[in-house]
Amino acid sequence: GNSVTQMEGPVTLSEEAFLTINCTYTATGYPSLFWYVQYPGEGLQLLLKATKADDKGSNKGFEATYRKETTSFHLEKGSVQVSDSAVYFCALTNAGGTSYGKLTFGQGTILTVHP
Amino acid sequence: KAGVTQTPRYLIKTRGQQVTLSCSPISGHRSVSWYQQTPGQGLQFLFEYFSETQRNKGNFPGRFSGRQFSNSRSEMNVSTLELGDSALYLCASSLGASGTASTDTQYFGPGTRLTVL
Repeated sequence: GNSVTQMEGPVTLSEEAFLTINCTYTATGYPSLFWYVQYPGEGLQLLLKATKADDKGSNKGFEATYRKETTSFHLEKGSVQVSDSAVYFCALTNAGGTSYGKLTFGQGTILTVHP
Repeated sequence: KAGVTQTPRYLIKTRGQQVTLSCSPISGHRSVSWYQQTPGQGLQFLFEYFSETQRNKGNFPGRFSGRQFSNSRSEMNVSTLELGDSALYLCASSLGASGTASTDTQYFGPGTRLTVL
């Protein structure tokens, strides 16, 4: 079945530092890949997505590239801000069948950014 | 466009009771998915509804059920509550267009925090 593995957290950075959160996946076929962010007390917000190999998703300074050869979708940001402190989830979904409406999530990575 | 709304935001129940949670999707979205989020198990898929039909179901006991109405609003019900059912329940909506499930992006509501005492 499908699975997603994220780097262990928590991750603690100083403001303006470079961020990488690793994400690798196992899936059949050609999954779509997503990064969601969850702020305290809130639901999940879509951060970015990529639907085919070599696609790069980007939003709010965050980027991730769909690498089929390494089954990875690592999240990066060049300069983090205190407001980026949140929990980040990598997720995937496959086409149809037993995957209708089902996202498979990684365990989440807690990011804390200090001034 | 209004986002996904969930009611109530917080619930406290006792063991053995039942509970119903409600989700209103983004206008025009026909698919609603439900997830359970706990510190120990993370985010787990419960089920998905599209045009009033359950298309997919996760590995949860039969105490967890759901339904979808003709206006795409969805409810989930948990009967005979157990302490382990305490969690944040999230619903997400998407267009759910048949044949493009892999590219349907899900948008989440704020969740309902259920506490079972």
